[in-house]
Amino acid sequence: EIVLTQSPATLSLFPGETVTLSCRASQNINTYIAWYQQKPGQSPSLLIYDASNRATGIPARFSGRGSGTDFTLTISSLEPEDFALYYCQQRSDWPLTFGGGTKVEIK
Amino acid sequence: EVQLVESGGGLMKPGESLRLSCATSGFMIDNYAMTWVRQTPGKGLNWVATSSGNGGEIHYADSVKGRFTISRDNSRKMLYLQMDRLKVEDTAIYYCTKAMTNLNQHLHSWGQGTLVTVSP
Repeated sequence: EIVLTQSPATLSLFPGETVTLSCRASQNINTYIAWYQQKPGQSPSLLIYDASNRATGIPARFSGRGSGTDFTLTISSLEPEDFALYYCQQRSDWPLTFGGGTKVEIK
Repeated sequence: EVQLVESGGGLMKPGESLRLSCATSGFMIDNYAMTWVRQTPGKGLNWVATSSGNGGEIHYADSVKGRFTISRDNSRKMLYLQMDRLKVEDTAIYYCTKAMTNLNQHLHSWGQGTLVTVSP
């Protein structure tokens, strides 16, 4: 099973700051990583697929990078609605797995 | 617009059975893999099962293999999850999700979820 490790668990930031979230895979997963955002009381929603492709309607301030085992999601100039939980997910092999999540909270 | 609407959740006792349904609209379900994902309240996301577009390829998480069955009725645009021999640890919100494509298992769209509680 491919284990995804997200770090840090929590980030406290001010609106307007830029944040980079990390997701590390336990083995090479090429670029088969996605990022999801989940707000309290809501379902997750897709932000980025295949490491760097923004899903439809996702603002350009969200960007994803990486390949192999190390991946990042950068949110430039945090907006109030960006404070949420973020998960990564790999599709390189079965079972599909998710990272444990990073919470981005308002400082 | 893609819509996924789950139903069938409820309060169950260990050992009982339950069937979740997911009504889909806004896309040709035949062309997409569909996946069930669950989330224990306040915790992370866990993949449960995936069915390919025509139902010919199916995968299960080890934790549910042999107890859960994913199926679909493409003519009715429906996805199902039959859950047998329920355990307390199956308690979670169950989300129906649509994949990016039949081969790309990133999860493009999510339903609102249905809560399954298993308690003695």
